[in-house]
Parts: sequence; structure tokens; C-alpha cells
Amino acid sequence: AQTVTQSQPEMSVQEAETVTLSCTYDTSESDYYLFWYKQPPSRQMILVIRQEAYKQQNATENRFSVNFQKAAKSFSLKISDSQLGDAAMYFCAYPGGVDNFNKFYFGSGTKLNVKP
Amino acid sequence: DAEITQSPRHKITETGRQVTLACHQTWNHNNMFWYRQDLGHGLRLIHYSYGVQDTNKGEVSDGYSVSRSNTEDLPLTLESAASSQTSVYFCASGSRNTGELFFGEGSRLTVL
Repeated sequence: AQTVTQSQPEMSVQEAETVTLSCTYDTSESDYYLFWYKQPPSRQMILVIRQEAYKQQNATENRFSVNFQKAAKSFSLKISDSQLGDAAMYFCAYPGGVDNFNKFYFGSGTKLNVKP
Repeated sequence: DAEITQSPRHKITETGRQVTLACHQTWNHNNMFWYRQDLGHGLRLIHYSYGVQDTNKGEVSDGYSVSRSNTEDLPLTLESAASSQTSVYFCASGSRNTGELFFGEGSRLTVL
């Protein structure tokens, strides 16, 4: 079975500091995507960043970057220069291999608090 | 702009009643999904569809059904609502090009 594990139920960071959210996943596939989604109090699910497993280079989107360790099946999210608007639930998601297209498995989430 | 909309956004019902949550997307995606979100569980897949007339069970499908008569809509039906089905429900559609899921705003269902 495909599983995604987020071991940090809640984290806090000071505004302008850097924080890293952890995620591990289980798969036997070699080609796949990985995602981080953000869910603010509005409940809307927002895509933060996407990583393609065949790419060795870690994905980056402005202040958000990932540390993708394929052999270790680890996919952590780093938020630099944290802002108050970053406070939200963050979900790591693995959609299975290319044959399970879009059929996402989500971690249980990490609640990020940002302190002014 | 393309979007995915859910209705109703909030609903309160009684145990045993039939409830249908609507989902409509204008992305023209073939892939559509229903998830439920409960504290401590993240999002869990209820049902999904890869095209018209195609429906499949997810990991928590008991007590739910879906139908897909066109590309745009995937309604979720609770045949006989139970208190355990109190949850927030998300509909999503997926892009085959990017692998990304696009979500609706969620429907909060309370079963009393």
C-alpha cells in the first residue's frame, strides 16, 4: 500500500526565519510526482510546489524549496523568510506512479504557526 | 477562468437521510476525485473517476456512491447518512499534463 507520513503534527516558526517540514513516503515506483499543498483557515487547498522524481534537481518556488532524497523516500519542504501568511496546514502528497495518475495519497498534515 | 465548484458548502442532515454533494469543474479534466478530510487523517480518497461512465472505489468508499454521466460533474451520494460521515468533503479534478490536483472549496457535512 502507498503511504505518506508526516511526523510533525504541529510546528512553530518566528517570522522571517526558516522552517523545514518533513515527509516520507512508500513506493515501489521509479517515476512519479510529489507535491506539497497548503491549506489556510479558508480551507482552500493550494499547490505549493511539485517535484518530478526523475529530476535530480530540487524544485524551488520563490521562498519554498524541497529536499528530495529519492533513495531515502524523503521529501521535505523548506520555507525561507517565513511570513504570517504562511500559517496553515501543509500536506505532503504522493499520487502514485504514472499509472495511478492523480490518485493522490496524503499525509496527515503539519500545522504551521508563524509567530510575529 | 476554469474552476471547480462544490455545493452546498454547508449542510446539516439527520441520520438515515440521503444526501448528495455536487461537484462541477470547467477544467475539462477527465480525472475527478472525492476526498474526505478528518482531523488527524489528512485527506482520504472516497471515489474517483477517470472518465464518463467510469467510477472506482477509494480507500473509504463504504456508504458512498458516485456517478459520471458527463465530463464536468461527479456528484457524491450518501445513501443513508451516518454520524461517522460528518466531515469536510473535497472534490478535485486532475491534470494529466502536470499531475496536479485542483480542488473545490470543500463541503462541510454534519450528520445529527
